[in-house]
Amino acid sequence: SFALTQPLSVSVALGQTARISCGGDYFGIKDVHWYQQKPNQAPVVVIFRGTNRPSEIPERFAGSTSGSTATLTITSAQGDDEADYYCHVWDSGTSVFGTGTKVTVL
Amino acid sequence: QVQLQESGPALVGPSETLSLTCTVSGVSTRSRNYFWSWVRQPPGKGLEWIGNIAYSGNTFYSPSLRSRLDISLDTWKNQFSLNLISVTAADTAVYFCAANQPLESFPVWGRGTVVTVSS
Repeated sequence: SFALTQPLSVSVALGQTARISCGGDYFGIKDVHWYQQKPNQAPVVVIFRGTNRPSEIPERFAGSTSGSTATLTITSAQGDDEADYYCHVWDSGTSVFGTGTKVTVL
Repeated sequence: QVQLQESGPALVGPSETLSLTCTVSGVSTRSRNYFWSWVRQPPGKGLEWIGNIAYSGNTFYSPSLRSRLDISLDTWKNQFSLNLISVTAADTAVYFCAANQPLESFPVWGRGTVVTVSS
């Protein structure tokens, strides 16, 4: 198994852009999924298969990949975006979550 | 609309077996479109995938839990279950059940159930 490393925390001013990275010893991290989790709630998918956004998720959420690093970008961050975010991949039938990033909107 | 609901004891003694059930509604657990997973989250920590089971009964387990874990499927009751033996305080967590298409994201989650391992 392998580990997916995320920054512990990211702070962003209201209306500015936040970027959360996800990387590790995983080759071809193109099929990464991203989740938003608020306190005492189950996670919610915000990006699936690298760059796809569910219809109910605001357009300010976007995913990208480059080599062995995936990035979740929140453009024009809002107060409601304050949450924990996790990346997630499948490898040989088993699943791995990233270490998680706490996003604070200032 | 697929919905999941976890159930089971909130308190388990050290060295005992943690048993949880996830009741599925809105789709049959016989569906070839879904795999059924368990995910846990210790207090103040991140998400940890435990394992899953397919409609066929085939299972995949986290390497770190494989020796203590059993996930089973009851298609008649439309449920799947988790049994984790020889638990310690480190197994204290919120346990979620989740559903996904093979190798895809988890679009469906239960609300989670808190399990504390303590005497």
